[in-house]
Amino acid sequence: GENVEQHPSTLSVQEGDSAVIKCTYSDSASNYFPWYKQELGKRPQLIIDIRSNVGEKKDQRIAVTLNKTAKHFSLHITETQPEDSAVYFCAASIKSGGGADGLTFGKGTHLIIQP
Amino acid sequence: DAGVIQSPRHEVTEMGQEVTLRCKPISGHDYLFWYRQTMMRGLELLIYFNNNVPIDDSGMPEDRFSAKMPNASFSTLKIQPSEPRDSAVYFCASGGWGTDTQYFGPGTRLTVL
Repeated sequence: GENVEQHPSTLSVQEGDSAVIKCTYSDSASNYFPWYKQELGKRPQLIIDIRSNVGEKKDQRIAVTLNKTAKHFSLHITETQPEDSAVYFCAASIKSGGGADGLTFGKGTHLIIQP
Repeated sequence: DAGVIQSPRHEVTEMGQEVTLRCKPISGHDYLFWYRQTMMRGLELLIYFNNNVPIDDSGMPEDRFSAKMPNASFSTLKIQPSEPRDSAVYFCASGGWGTDTQYFGPGTRLTVL
């Protein structure tokens, strides 16, 4: 089955700096890659996602890049703010047509924004 | 929309007892997923349903775990008998045909003593 590796496990950056979190996946058939943000005691919430037919997607301060050949994808957060502090999870799945599939998650990255 | 609803939010039980977790997906969603989150293993998919039919249960740990979806608006995850290593947060998520997003419920924190 699919295996998703995520690095680093903890990332501390100064407020205003950029943060980058990287993930690799093993199953070349995976074609959907979401990123979830989870605050302490809360549910995971989708922040951005990308399909394999796209190399990059941006939404305000966050962006995701995908390299299908190397089977890795990354989350980029620019101009970090205190409210960005949370655990971030990458995930992968295989979507056929309009259908869905269960997500395989990375182990998470604890992002700490230093004031 | 109320979002995905899970109950109970917290459950404390003793080893050997039966535990039933409940989920109501977002109305109109065709897919329902059960995930488990622990510090050691992270977020794991246990089972998912499409139109009330189980599609993939390969993540269910063992025969002590069972899940049902008797109708489009209700699913249960049952553990019988429960063990301390089942302690975790159990999330239910739902998604619709043609949409990518899986919406998570608030989770049930299960503690087995």
